[in-house]
Amino acid sequence: DAEITQSPRHKITETGRQVTLACHQTWNHNNMFWYRQDLGHGLRLIHYSYGVHDTNKGEVSDGYSVSRSNTEDLPLTLESAASSQTSVYFCASSESLGQGGDEQYFGPGTRLTVT
Amino acid sequence: KQEVTQIPAALSVPEGENLVLNCSFTDSAIYNLQWFRQDPGKGLTSLLLIQSSQREQTSGRLNASLDKSSGRSTLYIAASQPGDSATYLCAGGSRGGYQKVTFGIGTKLQVIP
Repeated sequence: DAEITQSPRHKITETGRQVTLACHQTWNHNNMFWYRQDLGHGLRLIHYSYGVHDTNKGEVSDGYSVSRSNTEDLPLTLESAASSQTSVYFCASSESLGQGGDEQYFGPGTRLTVT
Repeated sequence: KQEVTQIPAALSVPEGENLVLNCSFTDSAIYNLQWFRQDPGKGLTSLLLIQSSQREQTSGRLNASLDKSSGRSTLYIAASQPGDSATYLCAGGSRGGYQKVTFGIGTKLQVIP
């Protein structure tokens, strides 16, 4: 069955370190997204991609970067981790189905703690 | 900017009861509305997607409706079971270069045996 996997599932890192979170999908979807989920907030979009070599900033992109070298993967990099980036990170994908489509499918999440 | 609100934040019901979860949104030009279920420590599972041209969608014991004019969507769960206990999130999609999705904070549902 098609799925989205994320690794690691849990990560503890120190302030200032570079961290990369992996996301891999086997849906063969064009669109991929990174969100963060914090208490008291809905999921907030960090970065998104419409396809290979395409990346775009979302609502809370400062301090994060992504690259898309193939259809299946969209790694998220925290350039210099800060305590404010302690959160649960979700990767999602969707297929552009045109009018009214774009059902999003989510990975299991990565819980990141920055100490 | 689309804003999505879910009230109440938490709900507790006895097993077997029918219940309704509410989702309000501010932009009536909503593209679609998606309901998700999230179990503790897990990702989001898509339950139902309602397109802007539709008024409702059904899957098993779940029925979701969309009323753009009033800015509301409801998720109806029939004959609730303890296994339905989870947090339910709604997300409104708006057009604008890409389908921008705004999530509610969710309603935490507990079904008591």
